[in-house]
Amino acid sequence: DSGVTQTPKHLITATGQRVTLRCSPRSGDLSVYWYQQSLDQGLQFLIQYYNGEERAKGNILERFSAQQFPDLHSELNLSSLELGDSALYFCASSVGGIYSNTEAFFGQGTRLTVV
Amino acid sequence: QQPVQSPQAVILREGEDAVINCSSSKALYSVHWYRQKHGEAPVFLMILLKGGEQKGHEKISASFNEKKQQSSLYLTASQLSYSGTYFCGTVSKGAGSYQLTFGKGTKLSVIP
Repeated sequence: DSGVTQTPKHLITATGQRVTLRCSPRSGDLSVYWYQQSLDQGLQFLIQYYNGEERAKGNILERFSAQQFPDLHSELNLSSLELGDSALYFCASSVGGIYSNTEAFFGQGTRLTVV
Repeated sequence: QQPVQSPQAVILREGEDAVINCSSSKALYSVHWYRQKHGEAPVFLMILLKGGEQKGHEKISASFNEKKQQSSLYLTASQLSYSGTYFCGTVSKGAGSYQLTFGKGTKLSVIP
């Protein structure tokens, strides 16, 4: 158990809908990262937050947004869902920002299926 | 930009050695290595920093060539438990902030 909690574990929704994925980082970790993993693309970095502030953005679509709350949990919002958004979404946390060279701990992921 | 890993897949017998390579076209701040078993989350193996410092797994070693923006992961005397997909993650600066970007992975299968 990495200490990073993601909910829900599985989510099935229809195209055009909106969903929210939740991540609770390890106690004491200030950074939260979101990744999308599909079969042929590996781990795609989406976005990083550090202590409530957005720090880095990767290949995140405009239909996707995220935030980190004062209690450090984070939510990833996916809207106007398309079939191609079906993937495993991972959250990871670390003590410092990515430049601090601390390891990231991954949650078990949320499997999103868009039908 | 995503780092390139090679090989894409490798099959080993127990006790054999393997090398997984990772290269980037960007100047790197550090390199991370993770292993993911089927159906599980990625697990940290090692961080390699500029200047040669390493932090990580005792039984797995790696190198980082800063000038060539390349890293290699060395798996010696492989065990069945080494099976999984290995991802390298490169940390580089882009658009004013550092990003951790992963390669597509190398699938390692260790057979008896």
